[in-house]
Amino acid sequence: AQSVTQLGSHVSVSEGALVLLRCNYSSSVPPYLFWYVQYPNQGLQLLLKYTTGATLVKGINGFEAEFKKSETSFHLTKPSAHMSDAAEYFCAVTPYGNNRLAFGKGNQVVVIP
Amino acid sequence: GAVVSQHPSWVICKSGTSVKIECRSLDFQATTMFWYRQFPKQSLMLMATSNEGSKATYEQGVEKDKFLINHASLTLSTLTVTSAHPEDSSFYICSASTTAGGLNEQYFGPGTRLTVT
Repeated sequence: AQSVTQLGSHVSVSEGALVLLRCNYSSSVPPYLFWYVQYPNQGLQLLLKYTTGATLVKGINGFEAEFKKSETSFHLTKPSAHMSDAAEYFCAVTPYGNNRLAFGKGNQVVVIP
Repeated sequence: GAVVSQHPSWVICKSGTSVKIECRSLDFQATTMFWYRQFPKQSLMLMATSNEGSKATYEQGVEKDKFLINHASLTLSTLTVTSAHPEDSSFYICSASTTAGGLNEQYFGPGTRLTVT
């Protein structure tokens, strides 16, 4: 079975500073990895995804993530935080050939002016 | 493209009554739809997976007689919470998946806030 670990439920970052959200996964087969963003009382929006190929994945809103198989990680970064980045972020994994997602517990990002 | 809607966006019902939530894929045919439940400040918990024309597959610990799922067409799935109780109050989110493009990417609806009084 696959699982995702996201540490630090709340992450505070200053406007203009680096955003770093950590995600580690476990999967018995090659994984597909996703980052989603959720704004209050809304559904999930896909930020980016890794399936195969290039391990550095660029997504929307200036976010990117790097798949590191040796570290079983898929950390999300953004060089410069913006006030609009304040939201909940979820990392998710699904094994190859399967479309059932397992989500991490999420990170609530607060951007400090 | 790939828009999923949910109706209603929020609903308040009395304990003991049933409530139906609709999930529609507006611009694509969804071979599979998923229903999630999200408690405040927590992650999404997969409740069930449904394929058009088939019975839903429920996750362990989810009462199938309590949460009735119908996937009548390739664009519509419904979740009915039967005999609702206050502990069923939650944020319910559906997603729809298509095999187009190879990867069965899920597209999420905006969610339905259920409050049982």
